[in-house]
Amino acid sequence: GDSVTQMEGPVTLSEEAFLTINCTYTATGYPSLFWYVQYPGEGLQLLLKATKADDKGSNKGFEATYRKETTSFHLEKGSVQVSDSAVYFCALSTNFGNEKLTFGTGTRLTIIP
Amino acid sequence: DTEVTQTPKHLVMGMTNKKSLKCEQHMGHRAMYWYKQKAKKPPELMFVYSYEKLSINESVPSRFSPECPNSSLLNLHLHALQPEDSALYLCASSQPWDGYQYFGAGTRLSVL
Repeated sequence: GDSVTQMEGPVTLSEEAFLTINCTYTATGYPSLFWYVQYPGEGLQLLLKATKADDKGSNKGFEATYRKETTSFHLEKGSVQVSDSAVYFCALSTNFGNEKLTFGTGTRLTIIP
Repeated sequence: DTEVTQTPKHLVMGMTNKKSLKCEQHMGHRAMYWYKQKAKKPPELMFVYSYEKLSINESVPSRFSPECPNSSLLNLHLHALQPEDSALYLCASSQPWDGYQYFGAGTRLSVL
């Protein structure tokens, strides 16, 4: 079955540091890939997406590239801010009339001023 | 409008109570979802409605009863819950052919 493996957290960084959160997947066919972010006490927000190999999703300074050869979708940001502190979930959907999202376990990110 | 609105935000209920959670979206989405999220865990899918028909039930206990009165509304009726059902309940919506879903802020449920 489909699965998503995410970098174990928690991750603590200083403000303006470079961020990478690793995500790899296993799926049948050609999945769409997503990063969702959950701020404390809130629901999930779609951060970025990529629907085919070599696509780069980007939003709010975050980027992730769909790498089919390594089955990866790592999240990066060049300079993090305190406001980026949240839980980040990598997810996939196989889109074959199947509306299920498969989530990774989530990575808690804390940014220290 | 890209909002999914959930009410109430917080709910405390006893094990003998009957209550309902409500979810509303006005994005014209034809798929709607209920998820359960425990602390420090990813959301777990409970139910999916596609074109107002139940298409996925992830073996959820019958004390949870979903309802989709129309394409904009989704309810989750709760009866005789257990303390372990305490969690954040999230609603989401999408077009059935899209992979990504828009989530509401959730209802935080406590069962005493």
